[in-house]
Amino acid sequence: DADVTQTPRNRITKTGKRIMLECSQTKGHDRMYWYRQDPGLGLRLIYYSFDVKDINKGEISDGYSVSRQAQAKFSLSLESAIPNQTALYFCATSEALAPRGNEQFFGPGTRLTVL
Amino acid sequence: QQQVKQSPQSLIVQKGGISIINCAYENTAFDYFPWYQQFPGKGPALLIAIRPDVSEKKEGRFTISFNKSAKQFSLHIMDSQPGDSATYFCAASTGGGNKLTFGTGTQLKVEL
Repeated sequence: DADVTQTPRNRITKTGKRIMLECSQTKGHDRMYWYRQDPGLGLRLIYYSFDVKDINKGEISDGYSVSRQAQAKFSLSLESAIPNQTALYFCATSEALAPRGNEQFFGPGTRLTVL
Repeated sequence: QQQVKQSPQSLIVQKGGISIINCAYENTAFDYFPWYQQFPGKGPALLIAIRPDVSEKKEGRFTISFNKSAKQFSLHIMDSQPGDSATYFCAASTGGGNKLTFGTGTQLKVEL
């Protein structure tokens, strides 16, 4: 979906390096999310933000941090990358209120490999 | 702890057949149950969703069946087509769709 963009699309890094994944959206949505996808585990929520001043941990936040720089930008950082953080990472957005807020719009993903 | 259990992990169906994917949940506070479809190299996209006040919702060839007492819901794809080949995720949330708990995914292949 061109309205939610993620950079980089692919990244290979080494253990111990700091890395940032970026997400931008032009949908005007207040709510943004970071997920990781692993084979056989589905999508798991890392962090979510309901507005610029609101940051919340998801089910697997350890080893990650986020920054909501603006309504349109939400970054995910790995302070010291480790191999088991190798995964496909997705950013998503949604409106604040139902019923339209029920739908999340996903970016194209970032494939991260930690050697 | 997997709050939404999805099966099967993979599924092969002949063109024109019916694809059925099942999910079971534990949290009785869940009140929104969407299905997302993901094609290779793409992010998931909402396919169809249901709330627990109805037992079935149909959109074209896609139907969700919902059994509140059994805490189960399923996706049925009628007249399956090769273009339906994708990974399907069920999900659940409380208070609307904003914080979703996903199933583990089903990789569907529709063969000619």
